Amino acid sequence: DIQMTQSPSTLSASIGDRVTITCRASQTISPWLAWFQQKPGKAPGLLIYKTSKLQTGVPSRFSGSGSGTEFTLTINNLQPDDFATYYCQQYSTYSYTFGQGTKLEVK
Amino acid sequence: QPQLVQSASEVKKSGASVRVSCRASGYTFTGYGITWVRQAPGQGLEWIGWISGHTNDKEDEQKLQGRVTVTIDTSTETAYMELRGLTFDDSGIYYCARGPGSRLLPHALDVWGQGTVVTVSS
Repeated sequence: DIQMTQSPSTLSASIGDRVTITCRASQTISPWLAWFQQKPGKAPGLLIYKTSKLQTGVPSRFSGSGSGTEFTLTINNLQPDDFATYYCQQYSTYSYTFGQGTKLEVK
Repeated sequence: QPQLVQSASEVKKSGASVRVSCRASGYTFTGYGITWVRQAPGQGLEWIGWISGHTNDKEDEQKLQGRVTVTIDTSTETAYMELRGLTFDDSGIYYCARGPGSRLLPHALDVWGQGTVVTVSS
């Protein structure tokens, strides 16, 4: 299986900040990397697919980049609604593994 | 609007089996597949299986050692996930999500069901 290592596991930030979450794959998966946002008690929601493509309806302050084995999710101008847990997932090879998650909390 | 609606919560005894359903609507069911993901209490997401919506092609998480079976009924546009030999570690929320129709056409999980809570008790 491809291992996905996400960092940091917890991130403290303030409204208006710019934050970056990193995801590393144990082998090349490019470009099949997605990012999800999950709030307590809710199903995950797709933010970014194919490394950098914004899912319909997702605000443009979210962006994704990367290639090969290293990928990032960047959130500009943090808004109150953005405090949640974020997961990366590779969908290059079965099983489609997830990162362990990054909890974005209010500083 | 594409939607996935899952069956109600389940409470099962250790060693029993559970079957979760996932009914699709608002899109061409056979054009996609269904992926199953679970989440233990307070933990992250774990991919557990996939099935194509128009072929019998499927995959499941080998770590589950053959305990999981994913199936579809195209006549009712419903997918099913059965997990046998339940242990306490199988407790959690089970989600279905719209995924690739073919293993050759990667597709991110863009539509999710609301989740089904499975509780395994003694």
